[in-house]
Amino acid sequence: AQSVTQLDSQVPVFEEAPVELRCNYSSSVSVYLFWYVQYPNQGLQLLLKYLSGSTLVESINGFEAEFNKSQTSFHLRKPSVHISDTAEYFCAVGDFGNEKLTFGTGTRLTIIP
Amino acid sequence: KAGVTQTPRYLIKTRGQQVTLSCSPISGHRSVSWYQQTPGQGLQFLFEYFSETQRNKGNFPGRFSGRQFSNSRSEMNVSTLELGDSALYLCASSPRQGASGYTFGSGTRLTVV
Repeated sequence: AQSVTQLDSQVPVFEEAPVELRCNYSSSVSVYLFWYVQYPNQGLQLLLKYLSGSTLVESINGFEAEFNKSQTSFHLRKPSVHISDTAEYFCAVGDFGNEKLTFGTGTRLTIIP
Repeated sequence: KAGVTQTPRYLIKTRGQQVTLSCSPISGHRSVSWYQQTPGQGLQFLFEYFSETQRNKGNFPGRFSGRQFSNSRSEMNVSTLELGDSALYLCASSPRQGASGYTFGSGTRLTVV
């Protein structure tokens, strides 16, 4: 069985400061990993994903995440946050044998002006 | 290109009633998956349909069912509604079976009173 742990339920950060949202997973098979963002009263928007290849993946809006197999982590980082980054962020893991996603409990990112 | 369309956006039902939610996938996508999001349980997988067949199922009671039509549109049905069924129901479509290519819709918020 797979599991995802997002250790921080809430992260307040000052505008233009860097941020890291932590995600650790547990799985006995090869996995693929996602970060999704959810704005109030909306669905999930894909931020970035790791399927294979380069362990560092980037999004178009400045976020990046690095797949670390030895530490079973997929932390999300941004060097300088903006007010518009205020949202809830979900880490998710899937595997190629059982094609569904297991989600973490989410991290609410609040940007302080 | 139109995204994943879920209807209705909001729904209020009474305990004991049944409800049907609809999901129209992105054109050309053949897989539709459903997830339930609640504050207490987070995001949980309900089921996946591909080529009109249920391919994968989560741990939900039989009151939760679904189907997929030949045009890949999917419906989800919940019978004998309980207060705990109040949730945001999210649909995701993918060009192929599995979660690696998901695009989520905006969801249907169901409130059971």
